Amino acid sequence: TQLLEQSPQFLSIQEGENLTVYCNSSSVFSSLQWYRQEPGEGPVLLVTVVTGGEVKKLKRLTFQFGDARKDSSLHITAAQPGDTGLYLCAGALERTSGSRLTFGEGTQLTVNP
Amino acid sequence: GAGVSQSPRYKVTKRGQDVALRCDPISGHVSLYWYRQALGQGPEFLTYFNYEAQQDKSGLPNDRFSAERPEGSISTLTIQRTEQRDSAMYRCASSARTADTQYFGPGTRLTVL
Repeated sequence: TQLLEQSPQFLSIQEGENLTVYCNSSSVFSSLQWYRQEPGEGPVLLVTVVTGGEVKKLKRLTFQFGDARKDSSLHITAAQPGDTGLYLCAGALERTSGSRLTFGEGTQLTVNP
Repeated sequence: GAGVSQSPRYKVTKRGQDVALRCDPISGHVSLYWYRQALGQGPEFLTYFNYEAQQDKSGLPNDRFSAERPEGSISTLTIQRTEQRDSAMYRCASSARTADTQYFGPGTRLTVL
């Protein structure tokens, strides 16, 4: 059973398009993080959201944490080829110590020039 | 400063052999985590330490897997009597304190023939 469901699994778009990646669960998370991973490297943290309803912006990336802290979304505006990579959401379950991260299966994004 | 390092980067072994994977965390980081990651998917939690104490080993698949961090710094993940299904990327991460941002290493690609 996958605690965190990410969709879509694969996304191929043209440069300049917008996209949204979703991360959903039936469990409540004390915090949720988004990572980006490039081939051959480890995941790199993009953002952490901790408050229900929170919205964070990082240049062309907008992250939102659901009001109930069970879901999150990542929106990229005017995607560029450099945005290509595996995007992972990861959450710390509220009922655990908060250290163990549960990852989604990832969204493989390809932005074509 | 230096990031998380892991060695070896690649390990090919025959079924039934034991392997030891090493993780050198960022200097001074209290918490150290081990994950296993299949190609194109998110990391799966295995175990984590605070200092030398193993806080959670519930993600270890079976008793062939063990980990230690005897001096609260370098950690070793040992897999005994390896099986083909153990083939995966094994990633280590460290954080300054429990529940802080985790920084991932480059991983060890294990292939069991």
